[in-house]
Amino acid sequence: DQQVKQNSPSLSVQEGRISILNCDYTNSMFDYFLWYKKYPAEGPTFLISISSIKDKNEDGRFTVFLNKSAKHLSLHIVPSQPGDSAVYFCAASSNSGGSNYKLTFGKGTLLTVNP
Amino acid sequence: NAGVTQTPKFQVLKTGQSMTLQCAQDMNHEYMSWYRQDPGMGLRLIHYSVGAGITDQGEVPNGYNVSRSTTEDFPLRLLSAAPSQTSVYFCASSYHIAAYEQYFGPGTRLTVT
Repeated sequence: DQQVKQNSPSLSVQEGRISILNCDYTNSMFDYFLWYKKYPAEGPTFLISISSIKDKNEDGRFTVFLNKSAKHLSLHIVPSQPGDSAVYFCAASSNSGGSNYKLTFGKGTLLTVNP
Repeated sequence: NAGVTQTPKFQVLKTGQSMTLQCAQDMNHEYMSWYRQDPGMGLRLIHYSVGAGITDQGEVPNGYNVSRSTTEDFPLRLLSAAPSQTSVYFCASSYHIAAYEQYFGPGTRLTVT
């Protein structure tokens, strides 16, 4: 039972354009969502997060949008740069039901930004 | 700060062998965790610890043991390695259980033959 889904295994965009990475979740108890970025042979690094009380959070070129009714979030990167090429993981967390804020990750989306 | 360090970077084991993956952090973080990453599977939580002396199971704990005797160290033990444990293992930490942002180590690539 996959609670966090990233249905696009890969995405290719041109440098300077917008990249939109999508994530869906099924557990309505999730109340905090994060995006991690991972380069090959490195550990994931935190990128941006959003609480369920918000619908948008922005940090420089990165914006995360949350649509709770649709159980959907998206990460927008504008403008995209070749250095953004990496695997992006969506993750979700909750403290209900004894889950102790454990993170549940999606399978990741490989973003390739072409010069 | 070195952040989160993991040793070794690579390891090859034969089926049935045991070994310990080391993880250490120098940020005085309370919360530490172990994940495994398999192709097409994302990151799955193996075990986690909310402080020294306290550990709990994650999503895929079978075949692994952990202990947390100090704040800094959180070793992962494979009791009897199996080919299904071939994976990349990541250790992570955060300053408190309620701090969702976790800092990850560089990973250990383990192959079990």
